[in-house]
Amino acid sequence: QQQVKQSPQSLIVQKGGIPIINCAYENTAFDYFPWYQQFPGKGPALLIAIRPDVSEKKEGRFTISFNKSAKQFSLHIMDSQPGDSATYFCAARIEAGTYKYIFGTGTRLKVLA
Amino acid sequence: SAVISQKPSRDICQRGTSLTIQCQVDSQVTMMFWYRQQPGQSLTLIATANQGSEATYESGFVIDKFPISRPNLTFSTLTVSNMSPEDSSIYLCSVAQGSSFSGANVLTFGAGSRLTVL
Repeated sequence: QQQVKQSPQSLIVQKGGIPIINCAYENTAFDYFPWYQQFPGKGPALLIAIRPDVSEKKEGRFTISFNKSAKQFSLHIMDSQPGDSATYFCAARIEAGTYKYIFGTGTRLKVLA
Repeated sequence: SAVISQKPSRDICQRGTSLTIQCQVDSQVTMMFWYRQQPGQSLTLIATANQGSEATYESGFVIDKFPISRPNLTFSTLTVSNMSPEDSSIYLCSVAQGSSFSGANVLTFGAGSRLTVL
């Protein structure tokens, strides 16, 4: 199936907390999984990405955990800050060698000061 | 990564009219795409803008409704024709580029054009 299911729809955490956003997919042909961050009035910006042969990837305070057998992946934001308040989208590349991505429905994160 | 400029950033239009959105990239790119982001929803690919040939449309999108031009490797336009309130969305221009993430091609987006149809 050509979809990525993302949860939760919205999330509120205190500063310093670790918000976790989850995504799940069905199609095993999906071969690349980026996360995008979008601030109000801006376009989505690439945050971090992972291939399915890797179980974890870290970029600063952002970590992707990937469970290939469960077809699930998640974004963890360590020591979250108010500046991390944004909408986060997971995505999956439909097929290797293409530029076609399926996006999740987005998670609106608010980090309280 | 490429810098993408879109115009207009927002507009309010009347039902039945058409609006053309412009996308300018600061470097030559092979692949340009147009996405739609409906309020509170995901990003949906409308079409791939091919330089020198007709755009390639995704299922559910047709050329008569969303004509696209791609006159060169740095510019594209998307027209939303005969608009209805259901066309109220953010329209995003995007380009594909290689990245530092293991060489995979990822997308860079413009800031979007927020369209409201009354």
